Amino acid sequence: SQKIEQNSEALNIQEGKTATLTCNYTNYSPAYLQWYRQDPGRGPVFLLLIRENEKEKRKERLKVTFDTTLKQSLFHITASQPADSATYLCALDAGGGNKLTFGTGTQLKVEL
Amino acid sequence: GAVVSQHPSWVICKSGTSVKIECRSLDFQATTMFWYRQFPKQSLMLMATSNEGSKATYEQGVEKDKFLINHASLTLSTLTVTSAHPEDSSFYICSARDRGSGGAKNIQYFGAGTRLSVL
Repeated sequence: SQKIEQNSEALNIQEGKTATLTCNYTNYSPAYLQWYRQDPGRGPVFLLLIRENEKEKRKERLKVTFDTTLKQSLFHITASQPADSATYLCALDAGGGNKLTFGTGTQLKVEL
Repeated sequence: GAVVSQHPSWVICKSGTSVKIECRSLDFQATTMFWYRQFPKQSLMLMATSNEGSKATYEQGVEKDKFLINHASLTLSTLTVTSAHPEDSSFYICSARDRGSGGAKNIQYFGAGTRLSVL
């Protein structure tokens, strides 16, 4: 069956360190993968999209990698700040070009 | 740019009543909008895909007579929860794709969500 797995346990890191979040998937062949941020009681906010032919994408302090052989994406936040504390969701195109399927998300807490 | 407004943000209703949730794209046209449901500490579950001018496509297990979707224009989709019951209490979120954004057309822009509590 198809699965998208993210660390269900919360990730606590110290301010200034690099946070690394993992997204693994099985039985998908996504043309692209996306990362979103969700704050409590709010809708997700788009962060980055990476295509299957791209190995890495960067945006300011964010970096995403995409390994279609390992079926894994890593999401990095460098020089993390308390304001980065949120739940981060990865999402894959579910085929058909329109729909996204979301992972369960990883809660990140950046401590002073 | 790419702002999606969802209203209301919070609603409490009695069991058996119907509730309408609106989703508007404010600065772009959205031929496709999506409706999701999210339970606490769980991921977003797609309920249906709403296409402007045509019937919505519902995911397996979602009752289309229970969750009525209307996508009357390129900027507005509505979800009506009919005869709501306590088990329908959840966080409902809409999203929209920008029809004109070329390579970024696969990005979904989300509303802030609606917290529905059915008593």
